[in-house]
Amino acid sequence: QVTLRESGPALVKPTQTLTLTCTFSGFSLSTGGMCVSWIRQPPGKALEWLALIDWDDDKYYNTSLKTRLTISKDTSKNQVVLKMTNMDPVDTASYYCARGRLAGRCDAFDIWGQGTMVTVSS
Amino acid sequence: QSALTQPASVSGSPGQSITISCTGTSSDVGSYNLVSWYQQHPGKAPKFMIYEGSKRPSGVSNRFSGSKSGNTASLTISGLQAEDEADYYCCSYVGITTSLWVFGTGTKVTVL
Repeated sequence: QVTLRESGPALVKPTQTLTLTCTFSGFSLSTGGMCVSWIRQPPGKALEWLALIDWDDDKYYNTSLKTRLTISKDTSKNQVVLKMTNMDPVDTASYYCARGRLAGRCDAFDIWGQGTMVTVSS
Repeated sequence: QSALTQPASVSGSPGQSITISCTGTSSDVGSYNLVSWYQQHPGKAPKFMIYEGSKRPSGVSNRFSGSKSGNTASLTISGLQAEDEADYYCCSYVGITTSLWVFGTGTKVTVL
C-alpha cells in the first residue's frame, strides 16, 4: 500500500523558512520513472503546484516561486523535503505531497498525502 | 503561467449528467494530452480521477469520463450521485521551460 504523510510546523512567522517533510512508503524514489511533487492550497482557494523531484534527482519548480523553494530527497529514509524561504501570510495554506504516476512517467498525481496546514502569522 | 479556467459551480439532480469545462491555451491544454482531474471533498486530500485527458485509473467509477477539444478539457459525471458533491480540479502539463504543471480554478459540484 502506497502512503505519503506530510509533517512540519503548523505555525511559522513572517520571513522565516518553512521546512516540510514528506515521508512515504510502498514505493522507492530510486525506481526509474518515480517522482514526488509538493502542491499547496490556501484556505478556500485552488491547488497550486510547487515543486517536483524525480528518481534521477532532477528538480523542477513553479517559476513564480523558484527563488524561494528548494526540494530534496533522502532515498534511504523514503523522504522528500521542501524548504520555502521568506514566508509571508499569503503562504498560509495546506501543503500536500503527492506521488507522480509511475506508469506515465509522472504525468499525473496518483497518490496524495493527507496534507498539513501551515499558518504564517506573527 | 495562469491557472486554467473552470466554472465556479455546476449543479445537477441525482441521475443527471453534468460536464465541467477546463479552458487553457495552446501552450498547455492545447499542446499536451496530459490533463488530469481530481476530486476533493471538504477537508480531504484530492483524489486522482482521470489522466491523459480521458483515462480512468483503477477503482474510479466509469460514471466519470474525460475528453478534450482544442484548448478545452472536460470532465463529465453521468448518473450523478450525492457522493459526487465535491470540488473538482483539472491540471495540465505545461512543459519544463515553465512551471511544469498548472491547476484549474476549481469547480464546486452540487447535487440538488
